Amino acid sequence: QQQVKQSPQSLIVQKGGISIINCAYENTAFDYFPWYQQFPGKGPALLIAIRPDVSEKKEGRFTISFNKSAKQFSLHIMDSQPGDSATYFCAATLYNQGGKLIFGQGTELSVKP
Amino acid sequence: SAVISQKPSRDICQRGTSLTIQCQVDSQVTMMFWYRQQPGQSLTLIATANQGSEATYESGFVIDKFPISRPNLTFSTLTVSNMSPEDSSIYLCSVRGGNYGYTFGSGTRLTVV
Repeated sequence: QQQVKQSPQSLIVQKGGISIINCAYENTAFDYFPWYQQFPGKGPALLIAIRPDVSEKKEGRFTISFNKSAKQFSLHIMDSQPGDSATYFCAATLYNQGGKLIFGQGTELSVKP
Repeated sequence: SAVISQKPSRDICQRGTSLTIQCQVDSQVTMMFWYRQQPGQSLTLIATANQGSEATYESGFVIDKFPISRPNLTFSTLTVSNMSPEDSSIYLCSVRGGNYGYTFGSGTRLTVV
């Protein structure tokens, strides 16, 4: 029940295209859902996050869509650029209970020029 | 968000030895976390370290193998003891900051030979 399942494992997108990464969770008590971006040799960096009382959050080219009833959330990267090539991790936590982050398996995104 | 300095950034160690990783934060934080990221894998929480109390270890991780110190609100160390090649991973510290953020250090890339 603590798992977060992420797909796809890898994704190749043409420059200018839309990248979509999906995550699903089981624990309905999770109250914070962040996405992290990790470049080789670096630690994960927070990209965007959402709380379950909101169905969508947009920051620049990055959008989180959240479906509470389906227990799913996704990251959309619009107008994907080669500089977006990185590994993306979704996560979930019981933030209000001081919880730990539960990470998805990761998606390696490659944006081709 | 908090800025984390993690040392060393990388090391190559002989099996059977121990390595202590340091995590320094530029602000006082209550909760610090230590993660392991095996090659090409997601992040797995080793333990949560709160100042003034014993670290809480996740299933599969024990204090004898990964002793943690948390002497104050800005500093923590993780020791990887009696290392074997299976311990070759990236080790990351993370803190929980304001505005629902979890920040990560750049990691320590450990190779055990």
